[in-house]
Formats: sequence, C-alpha cells, structure tokens
Amino acid sequence: AQSVTQLDSQVPVFEEAPVELRCNYSSSVSVYLFWYVQYPNQGLQLLLKYLSGSTLVKGINGFEAEFNKSQTSFHLRKPSVHISDTAEYFCAVSVPTGGSYIPTFGRGTSLIVHP
Amino acid sequence: DSGVTQTPKHLITATGQRVTLRCSPRSGDLSVYWYQQSLDQGLQFLIHYYNGEERAKGNILERFSAQQFPDLHSELNLSSLELGDSALYFCASSEGGGSNYNEQFFGPGTRLTVL
Repeated sequence: AQSVTQLDSQVPVFEEAPVELRCNYSSSVSVYLFWYVQYPNQGLQLLLKYLSGSTLVKGINGFEAEFNKSQTSFHLRKPSVHISDTAEYFCAVSVPTGGSYIPTFGRGTSLIVHP
Repeated sequence: DSGVTQTPKHLITATGQRVTLRCSPRSGDLSVYWYQQSLDQGLQFLIHYYNGEERAKGNILERFSAQQFPDLHSELNLSSLELGDSALYFCASSEGGGSNYNEQFFGPGTRLTVL
C-alpha cells in the first residue's frame, strides 16, 4: 500500500519569501503524484500533478514541484509567496485500486504567510 | 467554483441518528467519490461510484452506505451516528471511471456535527 508523509504540519513564512513544502511517499509501483490546496471553508483544488515525463511540474498560482524518484519525494515550491497563498496544502499519491485511481492524501501542511 | 454541489452545507444531529448527504457532480461527469476529513484521521477515501455502480471502496464503515442514482447524483447515508463521525464530508467528481487518470473536482463539503 502507498503512503504519503508531509514533513511539516505548519510552515510560517513572510510575504515575498520563497517557500518549500515537503512531501515524501512510499510505493512499490509507479505512482501519480499531486498537490492540492484547500482554502478556508472550501473544497480541495488541484495545484499540479505528475503523471509521467518531465520531473519538474508547473502548476497554477506560480507553484511548481519536482518529482525525485530516487528520494521518493515530490516537494512543492514557490519563489515568492503572497498573503493569498495562506491555505492548507495536501500532497497525494495515486495507484490503481480495483479499477480506480484513488489518491492517498498526506496529513496536510498549513502555509501561513505573514505580511 | 468546481461545479460540484453538496447539500446541506452544515448538519447538526445527535448520536444514534441517521443523516443523508447529497452530491451533484459536474455536468458530464460519471464518477462520484466520497471522502471524510477529520482532525485525527486526515482526508480518507470512502467510496467511488461510476455511472451508478460501485467501483472502489475505502475506509467506509458498515454504518455508512452510498449510492449513485440514474441522474448521476449521489447520496451518502450515515446511520447510528457516533461522536467520532463528526467531520467534513467531501464529494468529488470526474469524467471517467478511473481506469485512466481523470482529475477529480471537489465540492465545498458538508460539515457534520454529532452531539
């Protein structure tokens, strides 16, 4: 079975600073990898995904992530954050489950951007 | 707005009761997924329906059941409610059945409080 570890439960950062949210996964088979964002009182929104191909994936809102197979990591980065990036971020891994691709989510990282 | 609607937004009930949560997928989406988000368990997959048929099951309790109707809306029934069932319940929809990757679009959730 696959699992996802988000190494930081909370990441405080100042506005316009760079940020990295860390994610490691474990799986014995090839996986798809995702980052989702959840703003307060809202559902999850897909930020970016890795299915195959280039290991550097660009997403919405200026975020990007790099798939590192040898380190089983998929860290999320943004070079300059805004106050509006304050939200909960979830890393997820997906493998086939009886005909479905069901994501397994990490526990989430709360990104708090200070002015 | 993801196009996925969930009703009600909030639900407060007592232990031992039964409730029904409703989800309408995006227009054209055939798959509906249910998730439970709680502080102690994180975001957990419950069940997946594709075009009216159950496709995959996750950590869904026997007290919980779901179905997808011919018009593709879905209902999640929770019975004999316990305090620990208090959580945010999300519905997501996707175009396909999951045999290949299909992006899931999440609704805003139903917050269930069991007193």
